[in-house]
Amino acid sequence: AQSVTQPDIHITVSEGASLELRCNYSYGATPYLFWYVQSPGQGLQLLLKYFSGDTLVQGIKGFEAEFKRSQSSFNLRKPSVHWSDAAEYFCAVGGAGGTSYGKLTFGQGTILTVHP
Amino acid sequence: DGGITQSPKYLFRKEGQNVTLSCEQNLNHDAMYWYRQDPGQGLRLIYYSQIVNDFQKGDIAEGYSVSREKKESFPLTVTSAQKNPTAFYLCASSPSRWGEVYGYTFGSGTRLTVV
Repeated sequence: AQSVTQPDIHITVSEGASLELRCNYSYGATPYLFWYVQSPGQGLQLLLKYFSGDTLVQGIKGFEAEFKRSQSSFNLRKPSVHWSDAAEYFCAVGGAGGTSYGKLTFGQGTILTVHP
Repeated sequence: DGGITQSPKYLFRKEGQNVTLSCEQNLNHDAMYWYRQDPGQGLRLIYYSQIVNDFQKGDIAEGYSVSREKKESFPLTVTSAQKNPTAFYLCASSPSRWGEVYGYTFGSGTRLTVV
């Protein structure tokens, strides 16, 4: 079965500072990995995804993520955070097959607060 | 523009009443999903459908029912058997039954409050 862990429930950064949100997955083969962002009271928007090729993936809004197989991680990064980046971020994993066929498994989410 | 429409955005119901949440997509996607979101618990899968006239239970299907009579529509009924129905409900779709490959497109959600 596939699972995903986001160790940080809440992160606070200052505007202009760099950001790294952690995501660890549990899955034997090469997974399909996603990062989504959710503004309060809204649905989720896809930031970026990885399933093969270059392990550094570029997404929308200046975000990037790096797949590290040895660490089972897919951390999200941004060099300089803007106040509008304040939201909740979800990591998701798929591809395990079996009972997970066709489905993504989501992490618990990380709430990002940005101080001016 | 193509997308997923969930209606209504806010819904209030009395305890013991069934309520149906609407989800419509015009993306021509094959697969559709219903998730429930509670603070600190991430997204939990209720039901999903990979083709018309077929659907599967997710992790927390008890107290919920769905139908998939049309490709564009996947309504969710919250029945009186659901012990704690107050939550934010999200509908999603994917281009094919292999949702894990393509990822999902989400609607903007329905917040259900049962009083």
